[in-house]
Amino acid sequence: EAQVTQNPRYLITVTGKKLTVTCSQNMNHEYMSWYRQDPGLGLRQIYYSMNVEVTDKGDVPEGYKVSRKEKRNFPLILESPSPNQTSLYFCASSLGGIQYFGAGTRLSVL
Amino acid sequence: AQSVAQPEDQVNVAEGNPLTVKCTYSVSGNPYLFWYVQYPNRGLQFLLKYITGDNLVKGSYGFEAEFNKSQTSFHLKKPSALVSDSALYFCAVRDRNNAGNMLTFGGGTRLMVKP
Repeated sequence: EAQVTQNPRYLITVTGKKLTVTCSQNMNHEYMSWYRQDPGLGLRQIYYSMNVEVTDKGDVPEGYKVSRKEKRNFPLILESPSPNQTSLYFCASSLGGIQYFGAGTRLSVL
Repeated sequence: AQSVAQPEDQVNVAEGNPLTVKCTYSVSGNPYLFWYVQYPNRGLQFLLKYITGDNLVKGSYGFEAEFNKSQTSFHLKKPSALVSDSALYFCAVRDRNNAGNMLTFGGGTRLMVKP
């Protein structure tokens, strides 16, 4: 089954404790991206990647890092999480302009 | 810069009635336009897209949307709403000249269909 898989689905952490949210897709898509969803703000793009070893900033990249060492994986790294990064995060891969989303990761930073 | 506005936070409609969810956009060039739906505890799912050609686009689950260039709008419509259509709907735009493929989403509209 074609899918985008994110882990974990839920995460509660404390300020400053590094964390990684993994994202994997099995559709061989070149384009992948990360979004955060906040009430009333819709989805805002954090980072995107057009191919392996090619990443670029989206609208709200501050406080986040990404890497793209393989086509299928695109992890999101928070080196020093802060409470304002409490949000719902989505990974997506894209083909032909259509984005395919993972189920989301709900992150709470205390 | 590109942007999307969904002026209604929530739309309420009775089952069997037609529904419209509004979207207006702003891009510097020509747009690619999309509608996505989000059900509770799920990721967004693609509904339909406008790339070029016919201004009336048909998509999944009986939804359609009309591209209106002069009004810079891309309203989502369905002739007869179902209770199961209740969800959060997002409009999104991408400038065709945007090589980065960046998609900008609206704030979302919650559709409530009452039996």
